[in-house]
Amino acid sequence: DSGVTQTPKHLITATGQRVTLRCSPRSGDLSVYWYQQSLDQGLQFLIQYYNGEERAKGNILERFSAQQFPDLHSELNLSSLELGDSALYFCASSDPLAGAETQYFGPGTRLLVL
Amino acid sequence: GESVGLHLPTLSVQEGDNSIINCAYSNSASDYFIWYKQESGKGPQFIIDIRSNMDKRQGQRVTVLLNKTVKHLSLQIAATQPGDSAVYFCAESVPLGKLIFGQGTELSVKP
Repeated sequence: DSGVTQTPKHLITATGQRVTLRCSPRSGDLSVYWYQQSLDQGLQFLIQYYNGEERAKGNILERFSAQQFPDLHSELNLSSLELGDSALYFCASSDPLAGAETQYFGPGTRLLVL
Repeated sequence: GESVGLHLPTLSVQEGDNSIINCAYSNSASDYFIWYKQESGKGPQFIIDIRSNMDKRQGQRVTVLLNKTVKHLSLQIAATQPGDSAVYFCAESVPLGKLIFGQGTELSVKP
């Protein structure tokens, strides 16, 4: 158990819909990262937040957005969903301020868009 | 551009043998590398890491080797066990902590 929690574990929805994925980082970790894992793209970095502020952006679509709240949990919002958005979405956390760059991953949310 | 790739997509070994998983990276400025293990239906699990000022680091049954000259990373697993069966990813840490992952190698351990 990495200490990172994600909900829900599974999500099935229809094209055009909007969903919210939630992540709670390890206790004390200020950074949260979101990744998408699909069969044809592997693990792709989406976005990073540090202590409530966006720190880095990867290959994140404009239909996707995220935020980190004062209690450090984070949400990833996916809107106007398409079939191709079906994937595993992972959240990871780290505490770079402590010099720790290692990212610890949650169990993921499996999203299926029908 | 940024990329981290694996030489072998699948590896099958006999239980008790040693396993070697290879990885090539392209960003010579990267100074931190991590190996993750991902079992089916689970998130990537940290195995071992290494900084660029080292060329070898050992953990419990695992060793990571770093060759900066040819930008190559390898993970060695001693006395491979059935529980080691998983997909292994190398990852390269670039500025601001972003990780670039390789495509993964599936390790299959035959009893």
